[in-house]
Amino acid sequence: AQTVTQSQPEMSVQEAETVTLSCTYDTSENNYYLFWYKQPPSRQMILVIRQEAYKQQNATENRFSVNFQKAAKSFSLKISDSQLGDTAMYFCASRNTGTASKLTFGTGTRLQVTL
Amino acid sequence: SAVISQKPSRDICQRGTSLTIQCQVDSQVTMMFWYRQQPGQSLTLIATANQGSEATYESGFVIDKFPISRPNLTFSTLTVSNMSPEDSSIYLCSVGVRMWGEQYFGPGTRLTVT
Repeated sequence: AQTVTQSQPEMSVQEAETVTLSCTYDTSENNYYLFWYKQPPSRQMILVIRQEAYKQQNATENRFSVNFQKAAKSFSLKISDSQLGDTAMYFCASRNTGTASKLTFGTGTRLQVTL
Repeated sequence: SAVISQKPSRDICQRGTSLTIQCQVDSQVTMMFWYRQQPGQSLTLIATANQGSEATYESGFVIDKFPISRPNLTFSTLTVSNMSPEDSSIYLCSVGVRMWGEQYFGPGTRLTVT
């Protein structure tokens, strides 16, 4: 079974600064997907970024990028030029490639962006 | 991506009653999922609902408590039966996108049981 661990329950960053959220996972599979989801106070779960494990290149989506270390089973999210709208819960998740596979979520990191 | 709507967005119910939550998708999808998110917690998968087959429930969730319907490729319902205050949670539906493996989520239904 997969497990996903987020060791930072809460983090704070000033507007325009950079912050990195940590995530480690455990899986016996060689190929799988990794995701970061954002859940603002509106409670809508929003996909931020995805990474396929067979790709060595780190995924990037505008101000969001990941540092994927497959051997270390680490998948951190870097948010550059933080904005007030980035305030949210961030969940790391993993999924095996089989069609019947499920998303496994971490416990989340609450990010507060301050002025 | 997919656009997903849920009804109701929130409700306050009395213990012992049942509530049916609807999930509508703007495109045909094979895989739909129902999650529960208890206050301040992460998401827990209740069941997977594929069209044309019975829902598959996760450990700790049973069909009598959470019956699910999936009549077509764009719609599903989740019923929370015989509710107790412990059922107070956000319930989210999501759909799977086969190519990339990610799931897209509806806006959630906030349920409060008194």
